[in-house]
Amino acid sequence: NAGVTQTPKFQVLKTGQSMTLQCAQDMNHEYMSWYRQDPGMGLRLIHYSVGAGITDQGEVPNGYNVSRSTTEDFPLRLLSAAPSQTSVYFCASSRPKGGQYFGPGTRLTVT
Amino acid sequence: SQQGEEDPQALSIQEGENATMNCSYKTSINNLQWYRQNSGRGLVHLILIRSNEREKHSGRLRVTLDTSKKSSSLLITASRAADTASYFCATDEGQAGTALIFGKGTTLSVSS
Repeated sequence: NAGVTQTPKFQVLKTGQSMTLQCAQDMNHEYMSWYRQDPGMGLRLIHYSVGAGITDQGEVPNGYNVSRSTTEDFPLRLLSAAPSQTSVYFCASSRPKGGQYFGPGTRLTVT
Repeated sequence: SQQGEEDPQALSIQEGENATMNCSYKTSINNLQWYRQNSGRGLVHLILIRSNEREKHSGRLRVTLDTSKKSSSLLITASRAADTASYFCATDEGQAGTALIFGKGTTLSVSS
């Protein structure tokens, strides 16, 4: 199993550009989440999903969209990138009430 | 807002010593989880303790939970240099069990 995969690993965007961070898992987990991690901080939840077709907002959802059309994939869209969105983004998946499996992260810089 | 707060922020010990990290949280929880993050890597799940459990062990890890004090501790016994990492507690406050709220972490440095 590949576990949780994220692409790209690194990305540089200009302010105002849009892009999609990809996340996929092959463990047939129902739950998937997106977090961002800023220097010296823990992870903050952006959006999460408890199953295909179901998504909900986390602590810091503004500026991001998600969709969950399949169990395996949970892409995160930045609508109009801002320097405040410079961060490391982590995707995670889990079974209900289980520990989360994290991807390796995407390091995003917005100039 | 962040739920868990780890203490201390940083901890330096020698190999073979025990390391204890504490986590306090604010609201009622379904479970509390501990994760490790090596520099530049993703998080790795270490242990999950449910709200009706008081203590849990996994190898050299021991986690306690005191819901009356809204606190948890992670003990790593006989530390090794490979334990050098950041450790985060995360509380599960959502009904679905996926909306984890993380603390800012404890950075552990184990020197040989």
